[in-house]
Amino acid sequence: DIVMAQTPLSSPVTLGQPASISCRSSQSLVHSDGNIYLSWLQQRPGQPPRLLIYKISNRFSGVPDRFSGSGAGTDFTLKISRVEAEDVGVYYCMQATQFPYTFGQGTKLEIK
Amino acid sequence: EVQLVESGGGLVQPGGSLRLSCAASGFTFSSYDMNWVRQATGKSLEWVAAIGTAGDTYYPGSVKGRFTISRENAKNSLYLQMNSLRAGDTAVYYCARGLTIWGQGTMVTVSS
Repeated sequence: DIVMAQTPLSSPVTLGQPASISCRSSQSLVHSDGNIYLSWLQQRPGQPPRLLIYKISNRFSGVPDRFSGSGAGTDFTLKISRVEAEDVGVYYCMQATQFPYTFGQGTKLEIK
Repeated sequence: EVQLVESGGGLVQPGGSLRLSCAASGFTFSSYDMNWVRQATGKSLEWVAAIGTAGDTYYPGSVKGRFTISRENAKNSLYLQMNSLRAGDTAVYYCARGLTIWGQGTMVTVSS
């Protein structure tokens, strides 16, 4: 199974400041079709997960442009350019390149 | 509006069975792969099952042979039959279209 390792596990951030979360996969996420199925999900307190980013850097419908994804190989990053109060929650990276699909441990974003 | 509504969760004894349902609306259900993902309290997400548009199914080792995913396109419905349940299966179970749109989840508690 592909292991997804996120850092940090907790990130206190000041409102209006940037935030960054890293995700490393234990093996290449390149699918046989050439795509890399690395996604980022947000889970606000008491809510189901919500897709933010798919295939490394594509923002899903309705996701604010302050969220961006990047990366290659086995190292990926989610960045929030200016953190807002509504961004509080847990962020997960996820790979859907190979079964079983796997998730990172989650990074808790909180406001300082 | 795209909507997924799970039902069927509850309290079940170890070794028992439960069938979860997911009612889909707002999109052409038969055209999408569907998934079940679970989350134990305070834990990360764990992918449980997937079914393709052709009815092909996939499971992780932790549930293979115990859980069965199925779909009924005429009823826009997804199901998860769970047998030989264990305490470790206790979690909120989410239905997801691909892994883009998620339902609100249904709680399953396995306890005597």
